[in-house]
Amino acid sequence: EVQLVQSGAEVKKPGESLKISCKGSGYSFTSYWINWVRQMPGKGLEWMGRIDPSDSYTNYSPSFEGHVTISADTSIDTAYLQWSSLKASDTAMYYCARRGGFYNWNDGNHYYYMDVWGKGTTVTVSS
Amino acid sequence: EIVLTQSPGTLSLSPGERATLSCRASQSVSSSYLTWYQQKPGQAPRLLIYGASSRATGIPDRFSGSGSGTDFTLSISRLEPEDFAVYYCQQYGSSPTFGQGTKVEIK
Repeated sequence: EVQLVQSGAEVKKPGESLKISCKGSGYSFTSYWINWVRQMPGKGLEWMGRIDPSDSYTNYSPSFEGHVTISADTSIDTAYLQWSSLKASDTAMYYCARRGGFYNWNDGNHYYYMDVWGKGTTVTVSS
Repeated sequence: EIVLTQSPGTLSLSPGERATLSCRASQSVSSSYLTWYQQKPGQAPRLLIYGASSRATGIPDRFSGSGSGTDFTLSISRLEPEDFAVYYCQQYGSSPTFGQGTKVEIK
């Protein structure tokens, strides 16, 4: 079964650092990009950034660039999202999601979508 | 950054009725990058539609997507009790973005 298993809930204080994880199984981890998505309490989905595990290339949403770091360790099929100094406003649910896709030779287009999602990691930042 | 605006914010309908959800982009989006997700309370989002109109694996045929350019639509032909949820559109281009969501609630 293809799945992404995320690390458990975290409770941290402002200024602390944090690294949460997302472990892929049931597929070739280096063949699919991993995305991170934030959902603040009662709010919508926000794309944060993504990583290509095969070469660790990353790109970030302008809203999150410089505030978080995305990385991956292919020896254990795991992607990470980390903060060096948390703020109360980082309180949210964080999802990882695999980028699925294919090239359609008939229309010459690439098709991309997030087809497998982790269950999410709740991060609470409070003094 | 491409901004996706979904309307309406909330749709109040009864089971068996048809739902029509709109997603409008601030600039043209390749149809092959336009996706729709469903999210129920306490659950992760689930892929419904990719490529603007193709159903993901296991998605019932009462769900359909259409549109091109800047205007896209998700339709649910006859609402089942399990369809009451929040729906998000997304464009998966060079810098992906989500719409703010449409909540489909029981009237």
